[in-house]
Order: sequence, then structure tokens, then C-alpha cells
Amino acid sequence: GENVEQHPSTLSVQEGDSAVIKCTYSDSASNYFPWYKQELGKRPQLIIDIRSNVGEKKDQRIAVTLNKTAKHFSLHITETQPEDSAVYFCAASLWRGGGADGLTFGKGTHLIIQP
Amino acid sequence: DGGITQSPKYLFRKEGQNVTLSCEQNLNHDAMYWYRQDPGQGLRLIYYSQIVNDFQKGDIAEGYSVSREKKESFPLTVTSAQKNPTAFYLCASSIGAGVQFFGPGTRLTVL
Repeated sequence: GENVEQHPSTLSVQEGDSAVIKCTYSDSASNYFPWYKQELGKRPQLIIDIRSNVGEKKDQRIAVTLNKTAKHFSLHITETQPEDSAVYFCAASLWRGGGADGLTFGKGTHLIIQP
Repeated sequence: DGGITQSPKYLFRKEGQNVTLSCEQNLNHDAMYWYRQDPGQGLRLIYYSQIVNDFQKGDIAEGYSVSREKKESFPLTVTSAQKNPTAFYLCASSIGAGVQFFGPGTRLTVL
């Protein structure tokens, strides 16, 4: 089955700086890669996703890049703000068109924005 | 994701008891999922269902059971066979294309 590794487990950056979180996956058939943000005690919220036919996707201060050859994808947050502090999870799955398997998650990155 | 509800928010269970966690969605989503989250860990897939009356085991299905009799409902039963059931349980649903939205979760504690 799929295995997703996520690094680092904790990331502390100064407010206004950029943050990068990296994930690798094992199953070359996986074709859907979402990122979720989870605040303490709350549900995970989808912040951005990318499919295997695209190399990069941006949404304001957030971007995701995908390298299918290396089986590696990354989350980039620019101009970090205090409200970006949370735990971020990457995930991978196979979507066949008729339905999707469940997501395989990384273990999470605790992002701390220092004022 | 406001259309996905889970109940109860907190649940306490004595050892040896079965308990059922509710998950309902009014989003007309076809697929529904159950995940377990332990402190400091990522989410792990328990069961999922892509259509009514059909479901598949995820990575950690042992000690759990599900049913999918209606499109909007996907209850999870934690049986006494689950050795370490204390965790945060999250239900999700998807209309397709893989995008999943989560419910607010149920925190289960075994006393």
C-alpha cells in the first residue's frame, strides 16, 4: 500500500518569512495530493491540492509543487502570518474517475510562526 | 464541510462495550470515509464506501465495523475487539475527484 513520509515534524519561522514542508510517497500510481491544515481540536481543512498531470499550483500565498519522477511534493507558504500556525498534513490517493480510495496521510508538520 | 455532522462530540466507553459513532451528510456526496487520529499522528483510514450497500476496509479495519444503508449515513461501530480505541475519529465525504471534506469529529475515551 501507499506510504507517505512528511518532513519536518516541527517548523518554526519568523513572521513574514517563507515555510516549506516536504512529502514523499511510495506508490507511483497515486495521482491526487491534497494538503490539510488542522488547528488544535478541530477538523482538518483542505487548503490546496494538486493532481499528477500538473507540476505546480498556486493560491495566493500558498503553492504546491509535484515531482512525479521523484515521487515528491511540497507545500510553500510565503509571507507567513500568525494565523498560519497549525499542523499541516500532506496526503496521497488514487482517483480512478468512478471513485477515490481513501487518503494516506503523512504524520504532520507543526508550523509555528514566531512574531 | 458544514454539511457533515458527527455525533456525539465526546464519547466515553467502558472496556468490553461496543459503541457506534454517527456520521451524516446532506451534501449528496457518493463516497464516505472513516479515519482515526491519535495524538501527534496523522490520520489513518479505517473504512470507506463509494456507493450505498458497499464498503471497503482501510489500513486499520480490525475491531471496527460499518454499514452504508443510506447515501447520507455511514455509522462506525467500535467493537470490544479493538484493543486501543481511545482516539479522535473523523468522518469525511467526497463528491468525487478525490476531494474530501471532514466532519467535526468524535473524541472517544475508554474508561
